[in-house]
Parts: sequence; structure tokens; C-alpha cells
Amino acid sequence: DVKVTQSSRYLVKRTGEKVFLECVQDMDHENMFWYRQDPGLGLRLIYFSYDVKMKEKGDIPEGYSVSREKKERFSLILESASTNQTSMYLCASSGGEGARIYEQYFGPGTRLTVT
Amino acid sequence: AQSVAQPEDQVNVAEGNPLTVKCTYSVSGNPYLFWYVQYPNRGLQFLLKYITGDNLVKGSYGFEAEFNKSQTSFHLKKPSALVSDSALYFCAVRGSILTGGGNKLTFGTGTQLKVEL
Repeated sequence: DVKVTQSSRYLVKRTGEKVFLECVQDMDHENMFWYRQDPGLGLRLIYFSYDVKMKEKGDIPEGYSVSREKKERFSLILESASTNQTSMYLCASSGGEGARIYEQYFGPGTRLTVT
Repeated sequence: AQSVAQPEDQVNVAEGNPLTVKCTYSVSGNPYLFWYVQYPNRGLQFLLKYITGDNLVKGSYGFEAEFNKSQTSFHLKKPSALVSDSALYFCAVRGSILTGGGNKLTFGTGTQLKVEL
């Protein structure tokens, strides 16, 4: 089974702090994704990566950056956390042949609170 | 740009009754459609997908979905609901290959399913 792990389930940070959210997958997947989930808004894509050191902006990249130095690890960085970044953050990965590449596997999520 | 709409924020069903969670889509080209489920305090799980072929696709936990091209819909169904089906359900569509987003998914806003005894 694919396993996607995220470094923290709950995180509380102060406004202005630099925040790192880590995600690791163990299935050698090419693609990795960062979403935020907010009630009534569903999942919104922040950034995704289709290869090591490659990244593309999603729908809401402002205030975030990412890093993918190794294939299995994809980090989300909040350079200066703000209260409007309080949310649930979900990491996902996908890969494989044919239509399997569209099946995304999700981590358990990190609930970030910025005070 | 591709999009999906889930018109109901919440669906309530009695256990043993059939359930339907609605989804409509808008894409250019052939749609690749997905359903995911999020149980309380857990990550999203893939349920099923439509790529091509039969309009009725079967997935995990007894769920199925019907693709209707003329109505641009992909409704999730189950013949007999269980209390344990209570969860948040998301419909999703693949991004447009034309704009380089072929491996991305665009998710709907989610529908909370509540199955009661």
C-alpha cells in the first residue's frame, strides 16, 4: 500500500514565523501535491511537483513556496505565517502507468493554526 | 478551465435506503472523473474513477458512479446506505492536458453524507 506521511498532525505557530510542512511518500511516485482544505471551499491546490527540483504553481500559491530535493519528499514552506493561512494542509502523491497516474494518495493532513 | 460542482453541502439518508451524491462537471475534451471520501479525522481515500468505457463504474465499499455525458454528470450512488458511510465526499476532474495540467485534479467543494439509523 502507498503510504504518505506528514510530519505533524497539529501545529500552532505565531504570525510572522517561518513554517515548514514535510511530506514523504514511499511509492516512488513522480507527482506530489500540496492542498489546503477549508470548509465550504473544498481542496485547493497550492503547488505541485512532477519531478525532483521541478515545481509548478497551483491555484493559490501566494504566501507559499515548496522544495523537492529528493523524489520521496515534498516540503511546503510558509515564509511568514499569517492568520489567514490557518487551515488543514493535505499532501498527496501519484504515479504509475496509464490511468493510475491520476489516482492520488493522501496523507493524514496537518492542521495548522496561526495565532 | 475544468471544474466540478457539488450542489449539495449535505445529504441525509436513512440506513438501508439508496443514496446519491451529485456531481456535475465542465471540461474541454474527454473527462476523467473521480470520487474521493474523507472519513472523520482521516485523509482522503480514492473511491472510483471514470476514464472510458462503461458509464457505470464500480468502486470501493459498494459504491458506484454513473457517467452521463449529455447531462455532464457523475453522480455517486450506493443501493443501501450504512451508518459507516457517513463521511465527506469529493468529486474531482483531471486537469486539461492542453495547459500542461494533465496530472492535476480539480476538486469540488465536498458533500457531507450523513446516514442515520
